Amino acid sequence: AQSVSQHNHHVILSEAASLELGCNYSYGGTVNLFWYVQYPGQHLQLLLKYFSGDPLVKGIKGFEAEFIKSKFSFNLRKPSVQWSDTAEYFCAVNADSGYSTLTFGKGTMLLVSP
Amino acid sequence: DSGVTQTPKHLITATGQRVTLRCSPRSGDLSVYWYQQSLDQGLQFLIQYYNGEERAKGNILERFSAQQFPDLHSELNLSSLELGDSALYFCASSTRDSVYNEQFFGPGTRLTVL
Repeated sequence: AQSVSQHNHHVILSEAASLELGCNYSYGGTVNLFWYVQYPGQHLQLLLKYFSGDPLVKGIKGFEAEFIKSKFSFNLRKPSVQWSDTAEYFCAVNADSGYSTLTFGKGTMLLVSP
Repeated sequence: DSGVTQTPKHLITATGQRVTLRCSPRSGDLSVYWYQQSLDQGLQFLIQYYNGEERAKGNILERFSAQQFPDLHSELNLSSLELGDSALYFCASSTRDSVYNEQFFGPGTRLTVL
């Protein structure tokens, strides 16, 4: 069964700092990759996704992620964070096996100080 | 608002009891997923229904069961509750049973077992 590791449980940044959240998965086959975000008091929502093609994908709110197959990684990046990016971020993997279910990492809580 | 509704928002009960959590998917969505979020395990997939049929099973205990009704709403039944079942239970829905269809998450039901 696949698993997802998010290395940082908590990250604290100042506004305008650059962000990179790590995500590694353990599955040797073809994968579909996702980042979800949960803002305080809100539901989980999709930030970006990768199925195939260009390994650099862009999502909403200026976020992007890069799929590096050789490293089994799908790190999330943003060049300059804002206070409104304070949220919990979840990486998720789907093994391309015909099922649509997702395996989530444990999440990274990002706190951006103004 | 994702369009997915869950009731109740909060549930407090005692060990050994049984509870039912309800999920109404977005209008027209045929697929419903249940997830459990706890501090130690993170966000874990429990079970998926598609158009009334069980489609996939994850880390769901035998004390837990679910069903999807003809009107497509779903219920998650948790019985013989233990302290460790205290968690946030999310439901998500998608249009079809495909990883290419985004999963939309509800606000969750917070279950506290005393």
